Amino acid sequence: DIVMTQSPDSLAVSLGERATINCKSSQSVLYSSNNKNYLAWYQQKPGQPPKLLIYWASTRESGVPDRFSGSGSGTDFTLTISSLQAEDVAAYYCHQYYITPPTFGPGTKVDIK
Amino acid sequence: QVQLVESGGGVVQPGRSLRLSCAASGFTFSSYSMHWVRQAPGKGLEWVAVISYDESNIYYAHSVKGRFTISRDISKNTLYLQMSSLRPEDTAMYYCAREGDYYDSSAYHPSGYFDLWGRGTLVTVSS
Repeated sequence: DIVMTQSPDSLAVSLGERATINCKSSQSVLYSSNNKNYLAWYQQKPGQPPKLLIYWASTRESGVPDRFSGSGSGTDFTLTISSLQAEDVAAYYCHQYYITPPTFGPGTKVDIK
Repeated sequence: QVQLVESGGGVVQPGRSLRLSCAASGFTFSSYSMHWVRQAPGKGLEWVAVISYDESNIYYAHSVKGRFTISRDISKNTLYLQMSSLRPEDTAMYYCAREGDYYDSSAYHPSGYFDLWGRGTLVTVSS
């Protein structure tokens, strides 16, 4: 199975400041035949189900604010919130869907400083 | 309205069985692969099982293989998870999730990411 790790476990950022979350996979999730990274990011607010933010490592889901961006390739990925808003307080999970079983990172909790 | 609604959760004793349901609406259920994902209280997300759109491919997590069975009823637009020999470590919120697709080379393909989630149903395994 591919093991996903995230860092940090939690972070507190001032409103309007940048938040950066890192995700690393134990093996590459880049499929060479189509040059796609099989990596997604989800946001989960307390008491709610996860919500898809980013897929193919950098494609923003429809309706997701453009302050959210994804980058990276191969085994190292980053989710960036360019200007943190109060409504962004949540846990964020990366997810590899390159091979079965799909696996998730342990999550990063983002809070307001 | 495009949505998934889970039901069937509850408190069950270890060793007993339970069947979860996920009712889909607002989209062509038969065209999508569907998954179950669970989350133990205060913990992260754990994938449980997948059934392809045409039921030709079914896979399970190591932790539930041989105990859980995923199925779907196209006529009822409903996904199921039959859980047997339940253990305390199966205690979790169970979410159903739709696998998104993408268009390439004049056809749609399953993607692997989860673009639609239900609100979940809570399963507690306790004596």
